[in-house]
Amino acid sequence: DAKTTQPTSMDCAEGRAANLPCNHSTISGNEYVYWYRQIHSQGPQYIIHGLKNNETNEMASLIITEDRKSSTLILPHATLRDTAVYYCIVRGLLIQGAQKLVFGQGTRLTINP
Amino acid sequence: EAQVTQNPRYLITVTGKKLTVTCSQNMNHEYMSWYRQDPGLGLRQIYYSMNVEVTDKGDVPEGYKVSRKEKRNFPLILESPSPNQTSLYFCASRPTGGGRREQYFGPGTRLTVT
Repeated sequence: DAKTTQPTSMDCAEGRAANLPCNHSTISGNEYVYWYRQIHSQGPQYIIHGLKNNETNEMASLIITEDRKSSTLILPHATLRDTAVYYCIVRGLLIQGAQKLVFGQGTRLTINP
Repeated sequence: EAQVTQNPRYLITVTGKKLTVTCSQNMNHEYMSWYRQDPGLGLRQIYYSMNVEVTDKGDVPEGYKVSRKEKRNFPLILESPSPNQTSLYFCASRPTGGGRREQYFGPGTRLTVT
Protein backbone atom coordinates (compact mmCIF):
# COMPACT_ATOMS: atom_id res chain seq x y z
CA ASP A 1 0.00 0.00 0.00
CA ALA A 2 1.27 3.49 -0.86
CA LYS A 3 2.41 5.77 1.96
CA THR A 4 0.22 8.75 2.88
CA THR A 5 1.03 12.05 4.58
CA GLN A 6 -1.53 14.06 6.52
CA PRO A 7 -1.30 17.10 8.78
CA THR A 8 -1.18 16.17 12.43
CA SER A 9 -4.06 18.39 13.48
CA MET A 10 -6.60 20.86 12.15
CA ASP A 11 -9.30 23.09 13.55
CA CYS A 12 -12.56 24.12 11.94
CA ALA A 13 -15.50 26.23 13.06
CA GLU A 14 -18.84 24.54 13.46
CA GLY A 15 -21.00 24.95 10.36
CA ARG A 16 -18.06 25.59 8.05
CA ALA A 17 -16.58 23.18 5.56
CA ALA A 18 -13.69 21.11 6.85
CA ASN A 19 -11.09 20.31 4.20
CA LEU A 20 -8.64 17.57 5.11
CA PRO A 21 -5.68 17.07 2.76
CA CYS A 22 -3.75 13.88 2.09
CA ASN A 23 -0.63 13.37 0.01
CA HIS A 24 -0.04 10.01 -1.65
CA SER A 25 2.59 10.71 -4.27
CA THR A 26 3.57 7.04 -4.72
CA ILE A 27 0.06 5.82 -5.46
CA SER A 28 -0.14 3.28 -8.25
CA GLY A 29 -2.75 3.06 -10.95
CA ASN A 30 -4.93 0.39 -9.35
CA GLU A 31 -4.89 1.78 -5.82
CA TYR A 32 -7.89 3.45 -4.26
CA VAL A 33 -7.96 6.28 -1.72
CA TYR A 34 -9.99 5.43 1.39
CA TRP A 35 -10.96 7.65 4.27
CA TYR A 36 -11.92 6.46 7.74
CA ARG A 37 -12.37 8.30 10.99
CA GLN A 38 -12.28 7.35 14.64
CA ILE A 39 -14.15 9.27 17.26
CA HIS A 40 -12.46 8.85 20.62
CA SER A 41 -12.24 5.13 21.48
CA GLN A 42 -15.12 4.23 19.18
CA GLY A 43 -14.83 1.80 16.29
CA PRO A 44 -13.26 3.27 13.15
CA GLN A 45 -15.89 4.41 10.68
CA TYR A 46 -15.65 4.18 6.91
CA ILE A 47 -16.35 7.50 5.22
CA ILE A 48 -15.70 7.33 1.49
CA HIS A 49 -13.33 6.02 -1.15
CA GLY A 50 -12.42 6.79 -4.75
CA LEU A 51 -10.10 5.86 -7.58
CA LYS A 52 -9.74 8.94 -9.79
CA ASN A 53 -13.11 10.61 -10.07
CA ASN A 54 -14.46 12.86 -7.35
CA GLU A 55 -16.93 11.10 -5.10
CA THR A 56 -19.74 12.29 -2.84
CA ASN A 57 -21.93 10.48 -0.35
CA GLU A 58 -24.13 11.46 2.56
CA MET A 59 -21.14 12.01 4.81
CA ALA A 60 -18.52 13.74 2.70
CA SER A 61 -16.96 14.53 -0.65
CA LEU A 62 -13.63 13.28 -1.91
CA ILE A 63 -11.63 15.34 -4.37
CA ILE A 64 -8.71 13.55 -6.06
CA THR A 65 -6.24 15.56 -8.12
CA GLU A 66 -5.81 14.70 -11.76
CA ASP A 67 -2.36 13.21 -11.18
CA ARG A 68 -3.80 11.26 -8.18
CA LYS A 69 -0.91 12.29 -5.98
CA SER A 70 -3.11 14.02 -3.44
CA SER A 71 -6.70 14.20 -2.31
CA THR A 72 -8.97 16.24 -0.05
CA LEU A 73 -11.79 15.03 2.13
CA ILE A 74 -14.51 17.65 2.52
CA LEU A 75 -17.04 17.66 5.33
CA PRO A 76 -19.42 20.31 3.96
CA HIS A 77 -21.02 21.52 7.17
CA ALA A 78 -18.94 20.35 10.09
CA THR A 79 -20.62 19.69 13.43
CA LEU A 80 -19.18 19.08 16.88
CA ARG A 81 -19.80 15.36 16.33
CA ASP A 82 -17.28 15.42 13.48
CA THR A 83 -14.44 15.91 15.96
CA ALA A 84 -12.30 12.82 15.39
CA VAL A 85 -9.05 11.48 13.98
CA TYR A 86 -9.30 11.11 10.20
CA TYR A 87 -7.22 8.54 8.36
CA CYS A 88 -6.35 8.54 4.69
CA ILE A 89 -5.36 5.11 3.35
CA VAL A 90 -4.28 4.02 -0.10
CA ARG A 91 -4.75 0.42 -1.13
CA GLY A 92 -5.64 -1.86 -3.96
CA LEU A 93 -8.74 -4.02 -4.30
CA LEU A 94 -7.34 -6.97 -2.40
CA ILE A 95 -9.47 -10.06 -2.72
CA GLN A 96 -7.53 -12.57 -0.67
CA GLY A 97 -5.23 -12.43 2.30
CA ALA A 98 -5.26 -10.52 5.56
CA GLN A 99 -6.67 -7.32 4.06
CA LYS A 100 -5.77 -5.62 7.31
CA LEU A 101 -6.22 -1.93 7.76
CA VAL A 102 -3.13 -0.06 8.83
CA PHE A 103 -3.76 3.46 10.02
CA GLY A 104 -1.03 6.07 10.04
CA GLN A 105 -1.06 8.98 12.46
CA GLY A 106 -4.04 10.61 10.79
CA THR A 107 -5.32 14.15 11.25
CA ARG A 108 -6.90 15.12 14.52
CA LEU A 109 -9.79 17.37 13.50
CA THR A 110 -11.32 19.56 16.16
CA ILE A 111 -14.60 21.32 15.41
CA ASN A 112 -14.99 24.43 17.53
CA PRO A 113 -18.34 25.97 18.53
CA GLU B 1 -29.86 -1.45 10.73
CA ALA B 2 -26.64 -2.82 9.21
CA GLN B 3 -24.12 -3.20 11.98
CA VAL B 4 -21.36 -5.09 13.72
CA THR B 5 -22.05 -5.80 17.37
CA GLN B 6 -19.64 -6.82 20.09
CA ASN B 7 -20.23 -8.07 23.62
CA PRO B 8 -19.31 -7.27 26.24
CA ARG B 9 -18.39 -3.61 25.72
CA TYR B 10 -16.36 -3.49 28.92
CA LEU B 11 -14.76 -6.33 30.84
CA ILE B 12 -12.46 -6.49 33.83
CA THR B 13 -11.09 -9.93 34.56
CA VAL B 14 -8.23 -11.69 36.31
CA THR B 15 -5.22 -13.45 34.88
CA GLY B 16 -5.96 -16.95 33.65
CA LYS B 17 -9.73 -16.81 33.61
CA LYS B 18 -10.95 -17.84 30.17
CA LEU B 19 -13.16 -15.36 28.37
CA THR B 20 -14.91 -14.93 25.05
CA VAL B 21 -15.72 -11.70 23.25
CA THR B 22 -18.53 -12.16 20.78
CA CYS B 23 -18.82 -10.45 17.41
CA SER B 24 -21.80 -10.59 15.10
CA GLN B 25 -22.63 -8.87 11.81
CA ASN B 26 -25.95 -8.72 9.98
CA MET B 27 -24.64 -7.69 6.56
CA ASN B 28 -23.91 -11.19 5.21
CA HIS B 29 -20.22 -10.31 4.91
CA GLU B 30 -17.83 -13.16 4.24
CA TYR B 31 -14.71 -11.48 5.62
CA MET B 32 -14.37 -10.75 9.33
CA SER B 33 -11.40 -9.68 11.41
CA TRP B 34 -10.26 -8.89 14.94
CA TYR B 35 -7.97 -5.99 15.84
CA ARG B 36 -6.53 -4.66 19.03
CA GLN B 37 -5.69 -1.02 19.52
CA ASP B 38 -3.09 0.21 21.97
CA PRO B 39 -1.74 3.73 22.54
CA GLY B 40 1.11 4.49 20.17
CA LEU B 41 0.76 1.16 18.35
CA GLY B 42 -2.31 1.80 16.25
CA LEU B 43 -4.53 -1.01 15.02
CA ARG B 44 -2.98 -4.47 14.94
CA GLN B 45 -4.72 -7.41 13.37
CA ILE B 46 -5.14 -10.51 15.54
CA TYR B 47 -7.01 -12.98 13.33
CA TYR B 48 -9.12 -12.83 10.23
CA SER B 49 -11.57 -15.09 8.44
CA MET B 50 -12.28 -15.19 4.74
CA ASN B 51 -15.37 -17.38 5.16
CA VAL B 52 -17.03 -20.01 7.35
CA GLU B 53 -14.47 -22.48 8.74
CA VAL B 54 -11.61 -20.46 7.18
CA THR B 55 -9.49 -18.51 9.65
CA ASP B 56 -5.91 -17.27 9.62
CA LYS B 57 -3.46 -15.50 11.86
CA GLY B 58 -2.89 -11.79 11.68
CA ASP B 59 0.10 -9.94 13.08
CA VAL B 60 -0.44 -10.59 16.81
CA PRO B 61 -2.27 -13.94 17.23
CA GLU B 62 -0.40 -15.21 20.31
CA GLY B 63 -2.74 -15.84 23.25
CA TYR B 64 -5.92 -15.70 21.16
CA LYS B 65 -8.18 -18.17 19.40
CA VAL B 66 -11.07 -17.66 17.03
CA SER B 67 -13.73 -19.75 15.37
CA ARG B 68 -16.05 -19.20 12.43
CA LYS B 69 -18.84 -21.75 12.53
CA GLU B 70 -21.45 -19.40 11.13
CA LYS B 71 -21.11 -16.58 8.66
CA ARG B 72 -22.44 -13.92 11.00
CA ASN B 73 -20.41 -14.75 14.13
CA PHE B 74 -16.69 -14.52 14.81
CA PRO B 75 -15.91 -14.89 18.53
CA LEU B 76 -12.51 -14.05 20.01
CA ILE B 77 -11.37 -16.42 22.75
CA LEU B 78 -8.71 -15.75 25.36
CA GLU B 79 -7.97 -19.12 26.95
CA SER B 80 -5.71 -17.73 29.67
CA PRO B 81 -5.72 -13.94 29.63
CA SER B 82 -2.66 -12.05 30.79
CA PRO B 83 -2.18 -8.37 31.69
CA ASN B 84 -0.48 -7.67 28.35
CA GLN B 85 -3.80 -8.43 26.66
CA THR B 86 -5.34 -5.40 28.31
CA SER B 87 -6.46 -3.45 25.29
CA LEU B 88 -9.29 -2.05 23.19
CA TYR B 89 -10.57 -4.72 20.79
CA PHE B 90 -12.46 -4.18 17.55
CA CYS B 91 -14.22 -6.64 15.31
CA ALA B 92 -14.69 -5.73 11.66
CA SER B 93 -16.38 -7.14 8.59
CA ARG B 94 -16.37 -6.25 4.94
CA PRO B 95 -18.08 -7.22 1.72
CA THR B 96 -16.12 -9.17 -0.86
CA GLY B 97 -18.23 -8.61 -3.93
CA GLY B 98 -19.22 -5.71 -6.14
CA GLY B 99 -15.84 -4.00 -5.98
CA ARG B 100 -16.42 -2.81 -2.42
CA ARG B 101 -13.66 -3.25 0.10
CA GLU B 102 -14.49 -0.92 2.98
CA GLN B 103 -14.50 -2.39 6.46
CA TYR B 104 -17.21 -1.92 9.05
CA PHE B 105 -16.20 -1.93 12.69
CA GLY B 106 -17.96 -2.82 15.88
CA PRO B 107 -18.12 -0.39 18.81
CA GLY B 108 -15.18 -1.95 20.61
CA THR B 109 -14.57 -4.00 23.76
CA ARG B 110 -12.38 -2.52 26.43
CA LEU B 111 -10.68 -5.37 28.25
CA THR B 112 -8.68 -5.05 31.46
CA VAL B 113 -6.78 -8.05 32.78
CA THR B 114 -5.46 -7.71 36.33
